[in-house]
Amino acid sequence: GAVVSQHPSRVICKSGTSVKIECRSLDFQATTMFWYRQFPKQSLMLMATSNEGSKATYEQGVEKDKFLINHASLTLSTLTVTSAHPEDSSFYICSANGGTTNYEQYFGPGTRLTVT
Amino acid sequence: QKEVEQDPGPLSVPEGAIVSLNCTYSNSAFQYFMWYRQYSRKGPELLMYTYSSGNKEDGRFTAQVDKSSKYISLFIRDSQPSDSATYLCAFLFLGGTSYGKLTFGQGTILTVHP
Repeated sequence: GAVVSQHPSRVICKSGTSVKIECRSLDFQATTMFWYRQFPKQSLMLMATSNEGSKATYEQGVEKDKFLINHASLTLSTLTVTSAHPEDSSFYICSANGGTTNYEQYFGPGTRLTVT
Repeated sequence: QKEVEQDPGPLSVPEGAIVSLNCTYSNSAFQYFMWYRQYSRKGPELLMYTYSSGNKEDGRFTAQVDKSSKYISLFIRDSQPSDSATYLCAFLFLGGTSYGKLTFGQGTILTVHP
């Protein structure tokens, strides 16, 4: 089946620094990738939708300048958390769409970000 | 009114029990109805999907959709400890600016004890 990887799986950074998270589709080309944020025992909240070669579309309330998304190729999207603060600590999950169906999204394993 | 409401649980059942997980929704434009399973600290995985009212069965899992009542359910028969996870209902509308975006329920934590 389709596999999506994320790197790193876990990262700890200091307040004020930037962190980049990679999302890769390993065996298919992803025309669209989605970035989610999930707090403990809560559901996934969509942050943004990215299409290869174009600017990401952010959900209401998500700061574009803080969460930079780049979808440079059909297999790679990156999320950069700039000037991270402790409240940015969360579980970040990406998903990719681009298989043979329009409805199926394949999720990565997630990245646990802790900002100290 | 929230677009999706999911019974929050948590649910704790003995091995072998039948589990019922439920969601209601308000957006009649939703076209696909899905259930995802998420193990702790992992990404969600798609369990089942359907796009029409009625039942769809896959092994021990049955997905049920009632579009007239805007209600979906997931039944798990002969539950196993390995079924212990968070179950998320999800809805998809393929149109307009929302193309491809999933709307998730809050999730129900299920524990199946031996």
